[in-house]
Amino acid sequence: AQSVTQLGSHVSVSEGALVLLRCNYSSSVPPYLFWYVQYPNQGLQLLLKYTSAATLVKGINGFEAEFKKSETSFHLTKPSAHMSDAAEYFCAVLGDYKLSFGAGTTVTVRA
Amino acid sequence: DVKVTQSSRYLVKRTGEKVFLECVQDMDHENMFWYRQDPGLGLRLIYFSYDVKMKEKGDIPEGYSVSREKKERFSLILESASTNQTSMYLCASSPMDRPSGYGYTFGSGTRLTVV
Repeated sequence: AQSVTQLGSHVSVSEGALVLLRCNYSSSVPPYLFWYVQYPNQGLQLLLKYTSAATLVKGINGFEAEFKKSETSFHLTKPSAHMSDAAEYFCAVLGDYKLSFGAGTTVTVRA
Repeated sequence: DVKVTQSSRYLVKRTGEKVFLECVQDMDHENMFWYRQDPGLGLRLIYFSYDVKMKEKGDIPEGYSVSREKKERFSLILESASTNQTSMYLCASSPMDRPSGYGYTFGSGTRLTVV
């Protein structure tokens, strides 16, 4: 069965600093991987997805993620954090039409 | 844009009540899902449905049931609400014809408090 593990439940960054959120996956087949963002009191919004095309995936709001098969990782990055990036971020893997989510990482941005 | 609408943003119910959470999507999606979200646990799948009148148990179905009488509507039912069902409930949908690599569209969530 496919699963993902997010390393770090909370990340605090300064405005303008690099944002790095870590996700490792476990899958017996080539995975389809996703990053979602959840702003306070809202549902989840798709940031980006990996579907076995390019290993570097660009998403919305300046985020990107790199698929590394050798490390079974799909880490999310943004070069320069903005106050509006404060949210909870979820990594997910698709298996049997169903998404399995990580526990989430809450990002706070310091002025 | 696909819209997934959950009928209530906030609900407060008493222990033992039967609770209905409603979800409607407007893009003719075959697949619909119910998740609950709890701090530190992420999203856990309760039930899902591939088609009208079809349902499958997810990872945590105990204490819940579902109904899908029409393609656009997927209801989650708490047969006898308990305090440990206090949570955020999220509905999602996706099309059947592009299952691989296609993410879900989520509703805004229903925050249920059982007292």
